[in-house]
Amino acid sequence: QKEVEQDPGPLSVPEGAIVSLNCTYSNSAFQYFMWYRQYSRKGPELLMYTYSSGNKEDGRFTAQVDKSSKYISLFIRDSQPSDSATYLCAMSVWNTDKLIFGTGTRLQVFP
Amino acid sequence: DAGVTQSPTHLIKTRGQQVTLRCSPKSGHDTVSWYQQALGQGPQFIFQYYEEEERQRGNFPDRFSGHQFPNYSSELNVNALLLGDSALYLCASSLDSSSSGELFFGEGSRLTVL
Repeated sequence: QKEVEQDPGPLSVPEGAIVSLNCTYSNSAFQYFMWYRQYSRKGPELLMYTYSSGNKEDGRFTAQVDKSSKYISLFIRDSQPSDSATYLCAMSVWNTDKLIFGTGTRLQVFP
Repeated sequence: DAGVTQSPTHLIKTRGQQVTLRCSPKSGHDTVSWYQQALGQGPQFIFQYYEEEERQRGNFPDRFSGHQFPNYSSELNVNALLLGDSALYLCASSLDSSSSGELFFGEGSRLTVL
């Protein structure tokens, strides 16, 4: 079993839809949770960062962490075609620790 | 403010050859990590350098080695290349004293081994 599980998709939604992306994990020691966006043939770009449990909102993006269920989510409101990319969840035990990534979910937002 | 820069962006090698990839961290950052990303997969941690020492290492063979210089830039060396080493190699930088440890990635070096 992988430490971090993520549905690879692809997920195809119409413009304006609310998108929900999820990851589950098995290591209860994880405390730092991140979401990265990666466009084709580019490096990952940090979107959201959360420490421990709770919600964090930044514009159209909301990150949720439920440590009791070992489950994290990223919500994208009013999705745009420019949001079409692969979304990677990542997590670590301490702040300078290596990141463990999911496989990424490919999202396509069509006009 | 320059972000993380990597060179070269693309390169092609043949089996058995050696390759060196280079990385300059984001301004103000002192820690460099290297990741390997195979097609359709998430990045896998190779190793991390801080204060010119390898601080942490992932599950990669000794063919993978690295170095960090006094100006915090870093190199990744891979010897005796195998076909399976074909991947996007990502460099990421962070600030060790930061409470968050947010990691910022470069655009990567795409290695093809023939």
